[in-house]
Amino acid sequence: EAQVTQNPRYLITVTGKKLTVTCSQNMNHEYMSWYRQDPGLGLRQIYYSMNVEVTDKGDVPEGYKVSRKEKRNFPLILESPSPNQTSLYFCASRTARINTGELFFGEGSRLTVL
Amino acid sequence: SQKIEQNSEALNIQEGKTATLTCNYTNYSPAYLQWYRQDPGRGPVFLLLIRENEKEKRKERLKVTFDTTLKQSLFHITASQPADSATYLCALDMDTGGFKTIFGAGTRLFVKA
Repeated sequence: EAQVTQNPRYLITVTGKKLTVTCSQNMNHEYMSWYRQDPGLGLRQIYYSMNVEVTDKGDVPEGYKVSRKEKRNFPLILESPSPNQTSLYFCASRTARINTGELFFGEGSRLTVL
Repeated sequence: SQKIEQNSEALNIQEGKTATLTCNYTNYSPAYLQWYRQDPGRGPVFLLLIRENEKEKRKERLKVTFDTTLKQSLFHITASQPADSATYLCALDMDTGGFKTIFGAGTRLFVKA
């Protein structure tokens, strides 16, 4: 089954404690992206990656890091989380070979930073 | 500034009626526009994509129109059902080669039986 898998789905942490949200896709997609979703603001892009070792900033990259060492994985790293990073996070992927546009999303990771 | 606007107020309609959702954008020249459905606590699911040179696209009970002059897309669900109740997101893709997809905040649809 084609899917994007995120872990953890739920996480409560404290300010300053480094955490990583993993994302893995099994569709051999070149493009992967991270979004955060906040009430009234919709989905805002954090970082995206066009392929292995190629990443770029989205609209709200401050406080986040990413890496793309393998095609299937695109982890999101919060080096020193702060309460304003409390949000619902989504990873997404799509093919770049044919510009179909369709994004495949994971089920989301709800993060609370105390 | 660049902006995508969807009606922030929820849309309530009766089962069997046609639901029409609006997506307006400013200061963009998108290559194409997409619509997604999102259920509470779940990830968005792709519904339809329409390109800048297309006026209308249909898929079963769904219809999307795209007016690049008005900078507007309309999303229609005909013969709506309670199962259509969800939040619907509009998304624009810029032809930048970077595959940057920008989303609106979404419109919540409630279909009453």
